[in-house]
Amino acid sequence: GENVEQHPSTLSVQEGDSAVIKCTYSDSASNYFPWYKQELGKRPQLIIDIRSNVGEKKDQRIAVTLNKTAKHFSLHITETQPEDSAVYFCALVNPGGYNKLIFGAGTRLAVHP
Amino acid sequence: NAGVTQTPKFQVLKTGQSMTLQCAQDMNHEYMSWYRQDPGMGLRLIHYSVGAGITDQGEVPNGYNVSRSTTEDFPLRLLSAAPSQTSVYFCASRRTGTSATGELFFGEGSRLTVL
Repeated sequence: GENVEQHPSTLSVQEGDSAVIKCTYSDSASNYFPWYKQELGKRPQLIIDIRSNVGEKKDQRIAVTLNKTAKHFSLHITETQPEDSAVYFCALVNPGGYNKLIFGAGTRLAVHP
Repeated sequence: NAGVTQTPKFQVLKTGQSMTLQCAQDMNHEYMSWYRQDPGMGLRLIHYSVGAGITDQGEVPNGYNVSRSTTEDFPLRLLSAAPSQTSVYFCASRRTGTSATGELFFGEGSRLTVL
């Protein structure tokens, strides 16, 4: 079945630096790639998403890029702030399975002041 | 709107006991799903449903049953709890179809401990 690999599992940066998290997948039929942020003790929430017909999408300090040929997509956070500290999950929807949504294992991001 | 509501928030069971985690959504979402979250394992899909009467297995379905008799409700049943089922469980729902954003809305989670 479809799976998605996420790297790194942990990431530590200084405030103001950039952070990049990368996910790779295997099924070229996947067509929707969201990213979720989960703060400690909270539920995951969508922060940005991209569809397969788009190569890049930005929303203020966060951006997502998609390379369908290489089958990977990445989350970029610029000018990181302490409140960006959280666990980030990539995910994808594969239309070949009732559009089920599968998550990566997560990246714990720590932003140090 | 309440969104996605899960109950109970906390539960302790003994091995072999059964229980049902309740999930309800008031957004008229076709798609509903259950995930379990374990440290270092991310969110793993247990079962999902794309409408009333339609359910399918996810990545880790063993030991769990689901049913979808209405659009609003999607209960998760543990028939004989095992310590390996100690986890945090999230119910989530979204719209489906080509015009939907695909955003998955999560409940607050249910922390289950099996002794």
